[in-house]
Amino acid sequence: EIVLTQSPVTLSLSPGERATLSCRASQSVYRYLAWYQQKPGQAPRLIISGASNRATGIPARFSGSGSGTDFTLTISSLEPEDFAVYYCQQRGNWPHTFGQGTKLEIK
Amino acid sequence: QVQLVQSGGEAKKPGASVKVSCKASGSTFTNYGITWVRQARGQGLEWMGWISTENGNKAYAQKVKDRVTLTTDTSTTTVYMELTSLTFDDTAVYYCAREPGLADSGLDVWGQGTTVIVSS
Repeated sequence: EIVLTQSPVTLSLSPGERATLSCRASQSVYRYLAWYQQKPGQAPRLIISGASNRATGIPARFSGSGSGTDFTLTISSLEPEDFAVYYCQQRGNWPHTFGQGTKLEIK
Repeated sequence: QVQLVQSGGEAKKPGASVKVSCKASGSTFTNYGITWVRQARGQGLEWMGWISTENGNKAYAQKVKDRVTLTTDTSTTTVYMELTSLTFDDTAVYYCAREPGLADSGLDVWGQGTTVIVSS
């Protein structure tokens, strides 16, 4: 199965700063990668699909890039509501595995 | 408004089975698949399996494939996840999520989660 490794495990930033989250796959997943945001006590929410397509209702400050094995989620200017855990998921091969998550916390 | 509504929390003893339901409303049921994901307390997301509501095709995670069964009831637009031979490690929140069926899509609608506690 494809292993996704997210880095960093924890990212400490302040509102207004730029966040860059990484997801690396153990083999190519082409552009079949999604990103999710999860806040405590809530179900995950789809942020990005197809590596770079924002989901419905997701603000433009969220962007995704990458292909093959290396992917990035960028939040251009952090808002207070963006502090959460972010997961990547590959959808190129069964099983559709998740990364272990990056916790974005307020500095 | 598309919604997935899951059944209520369960408390089970080791060795028992649990069956969680996920009822879909607000969209054409057979246009999508349903994925099941679980999350132990304080841990990450674990993909468990997927079922096509159109033709019943399934895919399971190796870790649980001998113990999990996904089924659909198109008449009630409900998908079921049954997990047998429960152990303490199966204690988690179980989510169903809508799977649009395209590789460049994502899990775009989620159920509210069902807490399963395995305790003696």
